[in-house]
Amino acid sequence: GAGVSQSPRYKVAKRGQDVALRCDPISGHVSLFWYQQALGQGPEFLTYFQNEAQLDKSGLPSDRFFAERPEGSVSTLKIQRTQQEDSAVYLCASSSFRGDTQYFGPGTRLTVL
Amino acid sequence: DQQVKQNSPSLSVQEGRISILNCDYTNSMFDYFLWYKKYPAEGPTFLISISSIKDKNEDGRFTVFLNKSAKHLSLHIVPSQPGDSAVYFCAASLSAGGTSYGKLTFGQGTILTVHP
Repeated sequence: GAGVSQSPRYKVAKRGQDVALRCDPISGHVSLFWYQQALGQGPEFLTYFQNEAQLDKSGLPSDRFFAERPEGSVSTLKIQRTQQEDSAVYLCASSSFRGDTQYFGPGTRLTVL
Repeated sequence: DQQVKQNSPSLSVQEGRISILNCDYTNSMFDYFLWYKKYPAEGPTFLISISSIKDKNEDGRFTVFLNKSAKHLSLHIVPSQPGDSAVYFCAASLSAGGTSYGKLTFGQGTILTVHP
Protein backbone atom coordinates (compact mmCIF):
# COMPACT_ATOMS: atom_id res chain seq x y z
CA GLY A 1 0.00 0.00 0.00
CA ALA A 2 0.96 3.65 -0.25
CA GLY A 3 3.34 4.94 2.37
CA VAL A 4 3.87 8.45 3.65
CA SER A 5 4.61 10.86 0.84
CA GLN A 6 6.13 14.33 1.03
CA SER A 7 6.41 17.11 -1.49
CA PRO A 8 8.45 18.71 -2.78
CA ARG A 9 11.39 16.36 -2.32
CA TYR A 10 13.82 19.25 -2.73
CA LYS A 11 13.30 22.96 -2.17
CA VAL A 12 15.75 25.79 -2.63
CA ALA A 13 14.71 29.11 -1.14
CA LYS A 14 16.36 32.49 -0.93
CA ARG A 15 16.79 33.84 2.57
CA GLY A 16 13.63 35.65 3.59
CA GLN A 17 11.26 33.63 1.40
CA ASP A 18 8.32 31.68 2.78
CA VAL A 19 8.09 27.93 2.08
CA ALA A 20 5.37 25.31 2.49
CA LEU A 21 6.14 21.62 2.84
CA ARG A 22 3.42 19.02 2.37
CA CYS A 23 2.92 15.64 4.01
CA ASP A 24 0.42 12.98 2.92
CA PRO A 25 0.20 10.41 5.71
CA ILE A 26 -0.89 6.82 5.37
CA SER A 27 -4.66 6.75 4.94
CA GLY A 28 -6.48 6.38 8.22
CA HIS A 29 -3.53 7.25 10.41
CA VAL A 30 -4.63 9.42 13.29
CA SER A 31 -1.22 10.60 14.46
CA LEU A 32 1.18 12.76 12.47
CA PHE A 33 4.61 14.00 13.48
CA TRP A 34 7.08 16.47 11.94
CA TYR A 35 10.83 16.19 12.55
CA GLN A 36 13.79 18.30 11.43
CA GLN A 37 17.07 16.58 10.56
CA ALA A 38 20.16 18.74 10.24
CA LEU A 39 23.16 17.41 8.35
CA GLY A 40 24.96 14.69 10.31
CA GLN A 41 22.38 14.69 13.10
CA GLY A 42 19.40 12.59 14.04
CA PRO A 43 15.84 13.80 13.49
CA GLU A 44 14.54 16.30 16.05
CA PHE A 45 10.88 16.49 17.00
CA LEU A 46 9.00 19.57 15.86
CA THR A 47 5.29 19.00 16.38
CA TYR A 48 2.53 16.39 16.76
CA PHE A 49 -1.06 16.18 15.54
CA GLN A 50 -3.84 13.88 16.60
CA ASN A 51 -6.36 14.16 13.79
CA GLU A 52 -6.68 17.92 13.21
CA ALA A 53 -5.62 18.90 16.72
CA GLN A 54 -2.05 20.06 17.24
CA LEU A 55 -1.34 18.56 20.66
CA ASP A 56 2.35 19.30 20.96
CA LYS A 57 4.33 22.05 19.26
CA SER A 58 7.13 22.21 21.79
CA GLY A 59 9.83 21.48 19.19
CA LEU A 60 9.06 24.32 16.79
CA PRO A 61 12.24 26.44 16.90
CA SER A 62 10.62 29.83 16.44
CA ASP A 63 7.36 31.54 15.65
CA ARG A 64 8.40 31.49 11.99
CA PHE A 65 7.44 27.82 11.95
CA PHE A 66 3.78 26.94 11.64
CA ALA A 67 2.09 23.59 11.01
CA GLU A 68 -1.50 22.68 10.26
CA ARG A 69 -3.63 19.64 9.51
CA PRO A 70 -7.06 21.17 8.95
CA GLU A 71 -8.99 18.03 7.94
CA GLY A 72 -7.01 15.51 9.94
CA SER A 73 -5.24 14.09 6.90
CA VAL A 74 -2.74 16.12 4.83
CA SER A 75 -0.43 18.36 6.83
CA THR A 76 1.57 21.40 5.83
CA LEU A 77 4.64 22.78 7.56
CA LYS A 78 5.16 26.43 6.75
CA ILE A 79 8.34 28.37 7.41
CA GLN A 80 8.17 32.13 7.09
CA ARG A 81 11.12 34.39 6.31
CA THR A 82 13.50 31.45 5.93
CA GLN A 83 17.01 31.68 7.38
CA GLN A 84 20.13 29.71 6.51
CA GLU A 85 19.89 27.76 9.75
CA ASP A 86 16.54 26.38 8.54
CA SER A 87 18.41 24.31 5.93
CA ALA A 88 17.68 20.69 6.82
CA VAL A 89 15.66 17.64 5.84
CA TYR A 90 12.10 17.86 7.12
CA LEU A 91 10.60 14.47 7.86
CA CYS A 92 6.97 13.62 8.35
CA ALA A 93 5.81 10.44 10.08
CA SER A 94 2.38 8.97 10.69
CA SER A 95 1.05 6.23 12.92
CA SER A 96 -2.32 4.60 13.44
CA PHE A 97 -2.38 5.89 17.00
CA ARG A 98 0.01 7.87 19.17
CA GLY A 99 2.07 4.97 20.54
CA ASP A 100 2.14 2.85 17.42
CA THR A 101 5.02 2.45 14.99
CA GLN A 102 5.82 5.67 13.16
CA TYR A 103 6.18 5.37 9.39
CA PHE A 104 8.37 8.05 7.89
CA GLY A 105 8.17 9.75 4.54
CA PRO A 106 11.30 10.34 2.42
CA GLY A 107 11.62 13.91 3.64
CA THR A 108 11.93 17.31 2.00
CA ARG A 109 15.45 18.68 1.73
CA LEU A 110 15.30 22.44 2.22
CA THR A 111 18.28 24.55 1.26
CA VAL A 112 18.19 28.24 2.13
CA LEU A 113 20.69 30.37 0.23
CA ASP B 1 22.03 18.91 25.56
CA GLN B 2 22.08 15.61 23.69
CA GLN B 3 19.78 13.28 25.63
CA VAL B 4 20.42 10.30 23.36
CA LYS B 5 23.96 9.67 22.16
CA GLN B 6 25.51 7.33 19.67
CA ASN B 7 29.21 7.81 20.19
CA SER B 8 30.39 5.76 17.22
CA PRO B 9 29.83 7.65 13.97
CA SER B 10 30.65 4.55 11.93
CA LEU B 11 31.16 0.81 12.14
CA SER B 12 32.63 -1.58 9.58
CA VAL B 13 31.92 -5.32 9.78
CA GLN B 14 32.58 -8.38 7.64
CA GLU B 15 29.60 -10.21 6.19
CA GLY B 16 28.47 -13.04 8.47
CA ARG B 17 29.94 -11.50 11.61
CA ILE B 18 28.10 -9.72 14.40
CA SER B 19 27.39 -5.98 14.28
CA ILE B 20 26.97 -4.24 17.64
CA LEU B 21 25.64 -0.70 17.67
CA ASN B 22 25.58 1.21 20.93
CA CYS B 23 23.46 3.99 22.36
CA ASP B 24 23.48 5.89 25.65
CA TYR B 25 20.81 8.13 27.13
CA THR B 26 20.85 10.64 29.94
CA ASN B 27 17.17 11.24 30.64
CA SER B 28 16.06 8.67 33.23
CA MET B 29 12.42 9.40 32.37
CA PHE B 30 12.81 7.61 29.04
CA ASP B 31 11.28 4.16 29.24
CA TYR B 32 10.71 3.11 25.66
CA PHE B 33 13.48 2.65 23.12
CA LEU B 34 13.56 2.02 19.39
CA TRP B 35 16.02 1.43 16.59
CA TYR B 36 15.48 2.81 13.10
CA LYS B 37 17.41 2.11 9.92
CA LYS B 38 17.85 4.66 7.16
CA TYR B 39 18.98 4.28 3.57
CA PRO B 40 20.06 7.35 1.56
CA ALA B 41 17.21 9.47 0.22
CA GLU B 42 14.65 7.50 2.23
CA GLY B 43 12.97 8.09 5.56
CA PRO B 44 13.91 6.06 8.64
CA THR B 45 12.36 2.59 8.86
CA PHE B 46 11.42 1.02 12.19
CA LEU B 47 13.49 -2.04 13.14
CA ILE B 48 12.86 -3.09 16.70
CA SER B 49 11.80 -1.65 20.05
CA ILE B 50 12.03 -2.43 23.74
CA SER B 51 10.13 -1.31 26.80
CA SER B 52 11.98 -0.63 30.03
CA ILE B 53 10.20 -3.55 31.69
CA LYS B 54 12.35 -5.86 29.56
CA ASP B 55 16.11 -6.17 29.15
CA LYS B 56 16.09 -7.98 25.82
CA ASN B 57 13.94 -8.17 22.71
CA GLU B 58 14.67 -10.32 19.70
CA ASP B 59 13.31 -10.27 16.15
CA GLY B 60 15.04 -12.55 13.71
CA ARG B 61 18.62 -11.41 13.21
CA PHE B 62 18.07 -8.31 15.36
CA THR B 63 18.31 -8.22 19.15
CA VAL B 64 18.12 -5.15 21.34
CA PHE B 65 19.57 -5.20 24.86
CA LEU B 66 18.69 -2.63 27.51
CA ASN B 67 20.75 -1.90 30.62
CA LYS B 68 18.67 0.56 32.61
CA SER B 69 21.18 1.08 35.41
CA ALA B 70 23.83 2.08 32.88
CA LYS B 71 21.31 3.96 30.70
CA HIS B 72 22.66 2.02 27.74
CA LEU B 73 21.17 0.02 24.93
CA SER B 74 22.66 -1.92 22.08
CA LEU B 75 21.51 -3.46 18.82
CA HIS B 76 23.04 -6.77 17.75
CA ILE B 77 22.74 -7.94 14.15
CA VAL B 78 23.69 -11.57 13.60
CA PRO B 79 24.72 -12.53 10.99
CA SER B 80 25.40 -9.21 9.29
CA GLN B 81 24.57 -8.93 5.59
CA PRO B 82 25.69 -6.37 2.97
CA GLY B 83 22.05 -5.20 2.71
CA ASP B 84 22.26 -4.12 6.36
CA SER B 85 24.60 -1.30 5.33
CA ALA B 86 22.74 1.87 6.33
CA VAL B 87 22.57 4.54 9.03
CA TYR B 88 21.14 3.25 12.31
CA PHE B 89 19.43 5.59 14.74
CA CYS B 90 18.43 4.79 18.28
CA ALA B 91 15.50 6.72 19.68
CA ALA B 92 13.86 7.08 23.07
CA SER B 93 10.50 8.19 24.35
CA LEU B 94 8.26 8.19 27.35
CA SER B 95 5.69 5.42 27.38
CA ALA B 96 2.05 4.99 28.23
CA GLY B 97 0.61 1.54 28.81
CA GLY B 98 3.76 -0.17 27.56
CA THR B 99 3.91 1.60 24.22
CA SER B 100 5.71 4.72 23.12
CA TYR B 101 4.15 8.07 23.92
CA GLY B 102 5.04 9.07 20.39
CA LYS B 103 7.48 11.97 20.65
CA LEU B 104 10.85 10.44 19.76
CA THR B 105 14.29 11.74 20.75
CA PHE B 106 16.93 10.43 18.35
CA GLY B 107 20.66 9.87 18.59
CA GLN B 108 23.02 11.17 15.89
CA GLY B 109 23.19 7.87 14.03
CA THR B 110 25.87 5.28 13.27
CA ILE B 111 26.83 4.41 9.70
CA LEU B 112 27.11 0.62 9.40
CA THR B 113 29.04 -0.84 6.48
CA VAL B 114 28.95 -4.59 5.97
CA HIS B 115 31.67 -5.82 3.61
CA PRO B 116 31.08 -8.92 1.47
